[in-house]
Amino acid sequence: NAGVTQTPKFQVLKTGQSMTLQCAQDMNHEYMSWYRQDPGMGLRLIHYSVGAGITDQGEVPNGYNVSRSTTEDFPLRLLSAAPSQTSVYFCASSYGEQGAGTKTQYFGPGTRLLVL
Amino acid sequence: DQQVKQNSPSLSVQEGRISILNCDYTNSMFDYFLWYKKYPAEGPTFLISISSIKDKNEDGRFTVFLNKSAKHLSLHIVPSQPGDSAVYFCAASPNNAGNMLTFGGGTRLMVKP
Repeated sequence: NAGVTQTPKFQVLKTGQSMTLQCAQDMNHEYMSWYRQDPGMGLRLIHYSVGAGITDQGEVPNGYNVSRSTTEDFPLRLLSAAPSQTSVYFCASSYGEQGAGTKTQYFGPGTRLLVL
Repeated sequence: DQQVKQNSPSLSVQEGRISILNCDYTNSMFDYFLWYKKYPAEGPTFLISISSIKDKNEDGRFTVFLNKSAKHLSLHIVPSQPGDSAVYFCAASPNNAGNMLTFGGGTRLMVKP
């Protein structure tokens, strides 16, 4: 299993540009989520999905869109990039809510985004 | 307001000694806690977890302790090894919000040979 994969690894954007960060998992996990990591602030939840066709907002959703058309894929779209969105983005997945042990999330390697 | 706090940004320990990383939380709805380890340019990797019905969980050199009354958890690494040098994040999940995780700011552990 490849686990959770993310592309691209690194991206430079100009203010106002749009782009999609790709995330895929091959573990048949129901739950997928996007986090951003900023220095000293840990990881903050952007959006999450509890299954195909279902998405919801996390702590910092503004400026981002998501969709979940398949179990495997969960892309994150930046509609109009801003310098404040410079960050490292991590995608994660886990099984559904059947028991406490299934809350463990598995992370991809991350996408470093620089917005100029 | 941060609901999960790691008040020590960094910690330096000698190889072979014990490393103790601390984490405090404010939300009494949190019922599941996890520790992740992160190396530079990689994603966080799951280390160990604990449910609120327990006060201790061990996995090899790693032990997590939970003090619910104090809203405090700690990760003990014994003995510490240079390969343990990484950033450690604690995370918490509430009992009414599925698998959503709230992370602390992280503690950078440096284990000196």
